[in-house]
Amino acid sequence: EIVLTQSPGTLSLSPGERATLSCRASQSVSSSFLAWYQQKPGQAPRLLIYGAASRATGIPDRFSGSGSGTDFTLTISRLEPEDFAVYYCQQYGNSPQTFGQGTKLEIK
Amino acid sequence: EVQLVESGGGLVQPGGSLRLSCAASGFTFSSYAMSWVRQAPGKGLEWVSAISGSGGTTYYADSVKGRFTISRDNSKNTLYLQMNSLRAEDTAVYYCAKYPLTVAATWYFDYWGQGTLVTVSS
Repeated sequence: EIVLTQSPGTLSLSPGERATLSCRASQSVSSSFLAWYQQKPGQAPRLLIYGAASRATGIPDRFSGSGSGTDFTLTISRLEPEDFAVYYCQQYGNSPQTFGQGTKLEIK
Repeated sequence: EVQLVESGGGLVQPGGSLRLSCAASGFTFSSYAMSWVRQAPGKGLEWVSAISGSGGTTYYADSVKGRFTISRDNSKNTLYLQMNSLRAEDTAVYYCAKYPLTVAATWYFDYWGQGTLVTVSS
């Protein structure tokens, strides 16, 4: 199974700053089948990005995804107060689908 | 508006059984594959099981194979997870999640429910 390693574990930034979250796979992810989710405390995950770079319906354009092969990045261009949450990557190109352990984005 | 509402969680002893339900609305339920994903307390996400839109094809994680059974009743727009021989390591919030496809062993999830907590403890 593909192991996804997210870094950093915790990212401390201020509103208005740029956030860069990394997701590295133990082997190449087929066809860039990688998604990103946002989860706030006590809430269900919300789909942000699929296919490594496609924004889900209703997701603001400050969220962008990039990468291929084994290295993927989620970028939030200008942090809003509501963006502070935990972010997970998921690969769905190989069975079983797997998730990273998460990056907590906290207010500095 | 897509809504997924889980129920059936609770406290159960090791070796016991529990059945989770997920009531779906806001989309044509039978047209989409569905899945269960769990999250142990303070931990990350783990895919558990998936089922095709017709219910004819099912998939399981190795960690639950032979103990859990996924099913669906398209006439009731409801997804189920029958959990038997429960272990302490099955303790988690269980989320119902929708695929944007009719058949999917692996894919991304476009909608999630709020989850139901299962605690396995004596």
